[in-house]
Amino acid sequence: EAQVTQNPRYLITVTGKKLTVTCSQNMNHEYMSWYRQDPGLGLRQIYYSMNVEVTDKGDVPEGYKVSRKEKRNFPLILESPSPNQTSLYFCASRPHQGGTEAFFGQGTRLTVV
Amino acid sequence: AQKVTQAQTEISVVEKEDVTLDCVYETRDTTYYLFWYKQPPSGELVFLIRRNSFDEQNEISGRYSWNFQKSTSSFNFTITASQVVDSAVYFCALINGGSNYKLTFGKGTLLTVNP
Repeated sequence: EAQVTQNPRYLITVTGKKLTVTCSQNMNHEYMSWYRQDPGLGLRQIYYSMNVEVTDKGDVPEGYKVSRKEKRNFPLILESPSPNQTSLYFCASRPHQGGTEAFFGQGTRLTVV
Repeated sequence: AQKVTQAQTEISVVEKEDVTLDCVYETRDTTYYLFWYKQPPSGELVFLIRRNSFDEQNEISGRYSWNFQKSTSSFNFTITASQVVDSAVYFCALINGGSNYKLTFGKGTLLTVNP
């Protein structure tokens, strides 16, 4: 089954404790991205990657890191999480840079206390 | 820069009513793509439709229909004879062909269909 898999689905952590949210897709897509969803703000792009070893900042990259060492994986790293990073996070992938629809993971609800 | 505006933050209707969700977009490119996604209470994002800028033909899929009008930069979504299961947040989104192909979302419209 074609899918984007995020883990964990839910996470409660403390301020400053490094964490990684994993994202993996099995569709051989080149384009992957991370979004955060906050009430009243919709989904905002954090980082994106057009291919292996090619990543770039989205609209709200502060406090986040990403890597794209393999085509299928695109982890989101919070080196020192803060309460303002409490949010619902989505990973997405698309076949290429064109205008195709994105496939989304199930979401990761992160709470930083 | 690209922008998507969903002016309706929340809409509440009674079952079987028709409802239209508005979407207005801004882009400088002649090539772009428009989308609608549904986010039910369970939280996942469900793709509904994709339209490219060269195809203004309206589309109907069951009780769903979409009206794309380049003259007003709008891509509105109508649900006919709404049902309780239509209750969700609906997002309109845009990919601008001239940029990094970023998918830009509107802020969403929360639709509540009451029995």
